[in-house]
Amino acid sequence: GAVVSQHPSWVICKSGTSVKIECRSLDFQATTMFWYRQFPKQSLMLMATSNEGSKATYEQGVEKDKFLINHASLTLSTLTVTSAHPEDSSFYICSARDYRTGPNTGELFFGEGSRLTVL
Amino acid sequence: DAKTTQPTSMDCAEGRAANLPCNHSTISGNEYVYWYRQIHSQGPQYIIHGLKNNETNEMASLIITEDRKSSTLILPHATLRDTAVYYCIVRPHLGTGNQFYFGTGTSLTVIP
Repeated sequence: GAVVSQHPSWVICKSGTSVKIECRSLDFQATTMFWYRQFPKQSLMLMATSNEGSKATYEQGVEKDKFLINHASLTLSTLTVTSAHPEDSSFYICSARDYRTGPNTGELFFGEGSRLTVL
Repeated sequence: DAKTTQPTSMDCAEGRAANLPCNHSTISGNEYVYWYRQIHSQGPQYIIHGLKNNETNEMASLIITEDRKSSTLILPHATLRDTAVYYCIVRPHLGTGNQFYFGTGTSLTVIP
């Protein structure tokens, strides 16, 4: 299947700093990427839908000024956690669909996830 | 919002078939059933999907009831590496913007 890569895999930062997580589709182009957050022992929660060349669509309750999403190219989307606090510590996962075959297969490909710890 | 219900946890003996049920009583006519699994601290992995016919691939089989209100994922010969959380998701098939909403999933433990 298609490969989605996230970087960094894990990051530790001090409270008040900003952290950027990258999501890349390595062997396909993705017009749409999705960002999820997962707390320990909980399910994945959709945060936002990232559309190439336009503003992201955020789910209800997700602060768009807190979680900045940029999708500048067909292979890269970034999530920036601004002024991070300990409660933002979580596992962040991105996903994407190959825009050529995706409409016919429907499946999403997920990255390996990025674990953020805010001290 | 997730539109599926699954048992919280299940055990299965190694080498036996694992049958994971999912209820999706409000599924619409254009919605497919997808199954993903998540091994601890990794991203979800696609397993299989279907509309109304039973489906089989190298990983699993998907049995969908005739009224489409429930389905069962079958891992024919479970191994220890199949221990994971299994998620059943319903969503429209076509359209690049259609999101996947995850429910609580079933935590499957394969026992030696």
